[in-house]
Amino acid sequence: DGGITQSPKYLFRKEGQNVTLSCEQNLNHDAMYWYRQDPGQGLRLIYYSQIVNDFQKGDIAEGYSVSREKKESFPLTVTSAQKNPTAFYLCASSIAQYTEAFFGQGTRLTVV
Amino acid sequence: AQSVTQLDSHVSVSEGTPVLLRCNYSSSYSPSLFWYVQHPNKGLQLLLKYTSAATLVKGINGFEAEFKKSETSFHLTKPSAHMSDAAEYFCVVKKDGANNLFFGTGTRLTVIP
Repeated sequence: DGGITQSPKYLFRKEGQNVTLSCEQNLNHDAMYWYRQDPGQGLRLIYYSQIVNDFQKGDIAEGYSVSREKKESFPLTVTSAQKNPTAFYLCASSIAQYTEAFFGQGTRLTVV
Repeated sequence: AQSVTQLDSHVSVSEGTPVLLRCNYSSSYSPSLFWYVQHPNKGLQLLLKYTSAATLVKGINGFEAEFKKSETSFHLTKPSAHMSDAAEYFCVVKKDGANNLFFGTGTRLTVIP
């Protein structure tokens, strides 16, 4: 089955630690995205990538980093510089020339 | 600039009655518009999309939306609510040619038995 897989589903991090969220897609999509979701705020774009080895900052990139070494994979690292990392993180992908995005099931990150 | 406003943060309907979730957008260009649904602790699922074809768009699960350029609206409707429709709904606008989606803040739909 084609789709987007995010792992893990739940993640706990101690303050001051970096943590990496995985996102893999087998849809052969060129574009991939990371969003952060907080209650009552909808989704906000962290980073996006239109092609392998290229990515752009979104609206709230501070404290996050990404890589796009393979078309299928777009991992997100939440660094210790991110002041309030507890949130629900969603990965998405789309065919560059089309318009709708397909979403993974999300990772809920909690800082303890 | 693009933005999208969902006029109600919470809508409550009785099972079997109509659903109306309101969305207004602003865009300098001819936009692409979407409605997504999110069940608790899940990802987003596309309900329907408008991409400058027919103004009345039919989606999955009996939902539909009408694009009204004069009113800059893209309201989501369903004739009869089911319990399984209880979820969060997001109206989304995308600028043509750009890889960015602008999300509304969401409307939580509650369905009362």
